[in-house]
Amino acid sequence: QVQLVQSGAEVKKPGASVKVSCKASGYTFRDHYIHWVRQAPGQGLEWMGWLNPNSGGINYAQNFQARVTMTRDTSTTTAYLDLTSLSSDDTAVYFCARGAPRVALVSAVPFDFWGQGTMITVSS
Amino acid sequence: DIQMTQSPSSLSASVGDRVTITCRTSQAVSYAVAWYQQKPGNAPKRLIYPASTLQSGVPSRFSGSGSGTEFTLTISSLQPEDFATYYCLQHTNYPWTFGQGTKVEIK
Repeated sequence: QVQLVQSGAEVKKPGASVKVSCKASGYTFRDHYIHWVRQAPGQGLEWMGWLNPNSGGINYAQNFQARVTMTRDTSTTTAYLDLTSLSSDDTAVYFCARGAPRVALVSAVPFDFWGQGTMITVSS
Repeated sequence: DIQMTQSPSSLSASVGDRVTITCRTSQAVSYAVAWYQQKPGNAPKRLIYPASTLQSGVPSRFSGSGSGTEFTLTISSLQPEDFATYYCLQHTNYPWTFGQGTKVEIK
């Protein structure tokens, strides 16, 4: 069965960086886009961007463009989210989610399977 | 960015009630809207995409309709397990954007 298992919660100081991992199993990792979505405490969902695990291609939301990097390691079927220059506004649960098959348009199919979420707390 | 105006932001309903949630987009998005259900502490679960196609395994009491700029999610007979927060998502224009969410609570 499809599973996305994320790394554990972290506490970071303002100005620091964080790297969240998302290990995929139960399907061919290269064959589906991976998206990242975050949710601040008690708030709604915010899309951050997608990664094509086959090519490494990316598309970031403009709000995060200067601070985010999405990468992958195909040998371990793991996707990564790097976020730099953290502030208290970045305190949130970060989710990875499987997207469209790469043979389709990325916009054709929204996320189906999600990771369990990783809580990132930014506090001095 | 496409703004997603979801209403109501919350509602109280009883088991067996019919519930309708609406999502309006600031620009036409054809049929590229999905609906998600989220329970506290869990990741969202996809119910419907695009617009009206039920995800496999989702009960038939859930239905979606709409195109262009107005979309609805209907629960025909609310069940205890349906108390949750529901989000719409447009997935055609970047950045993809979600509605603010509708919290469905027990009356």
